[in-house]
Amino acid sequence: QSALTQPASVSGSPGQSITISCTGTSSDVGGYNYVSWYQQHPGKAPKLMIYEVSNRPSGVSSRFSGSKSGNTASLTISWLQAEDEADYYCSSYTSSSTPVVFGGGTKLTVL
Amino acid sequence: EVQLVQSGAEVKKPGESLKIACKDSGYSFSNYWIAWVRQMPGKGLEWLGIIYPGDSDTRYSPSFQGQVTISADKSINTAYLQWSSLKASDTAMYYCAKSKSSWVNDAFDIWGQGTMVTVSS
Repeated sequence: QSALTQPASVSGSPGQSITISCTGTSSDVGGYNYVSWYQQHPGKAPKLMIYEVSNRPSGVSSRFSGSKSGNTASLTISWLQAEDEADYYCSSYTSSSTPVVFGGGTKLTVL
Repeated sequence: EVQLVQSGAEVKKPGESLKIACKDSGYSFSNYWIAWVRQMPGKGLEWLGIIYPGDSDTRYSPSFQGQVTISADKSINTAYLQWSSLKASDTAMYYCAKSKSSWVNDAFDIWGQGTMVTVSS
């Protein structure tokens, strides 16, 4: 069982917006602003999309945004495009013995 | 362009040992954390552990403590993941990833291409 909880799947049509949630505890998501989101296309390495809850690395589309409320972080993708279809993973710093935890991943399907 | 280049795919038998590599082509290898991440076939990402090559500070996920060993040779900008006795359940893709900064709580912005490890008799 993953330390962070994500929905197994979400879907949306081109042009719509979707949100993926990532629920943890006060020891990880809720306690620190070090939540990251990664995109992974089949057969490819993960790609950093959001860091420190809501910051986008250079080159990442502004259609991707992040937020956090309490123990739950969220990734929102606006104006869905076919190329957004991928698996998305959240990650957080944690005060437990291991400094990093991942979510179980969410498969995004663009209808 | 900074990139991490991992060693090639491996096919091993149960009980054999293995060491895979992750070479950093950029600068300041010693000043960033390098993490190892496992992805079993059709499954999600699992964090194995992390090392700071500058002082070899290494931390493991409790799930993998004692199962793998993470090391680094800063003279050749290379991090390693090794097993002393492989099991079939170690079959997976293994990624290395580099932190954005020298802080252990930072995100990983550079990823290797992955090394597929297959363990089968």
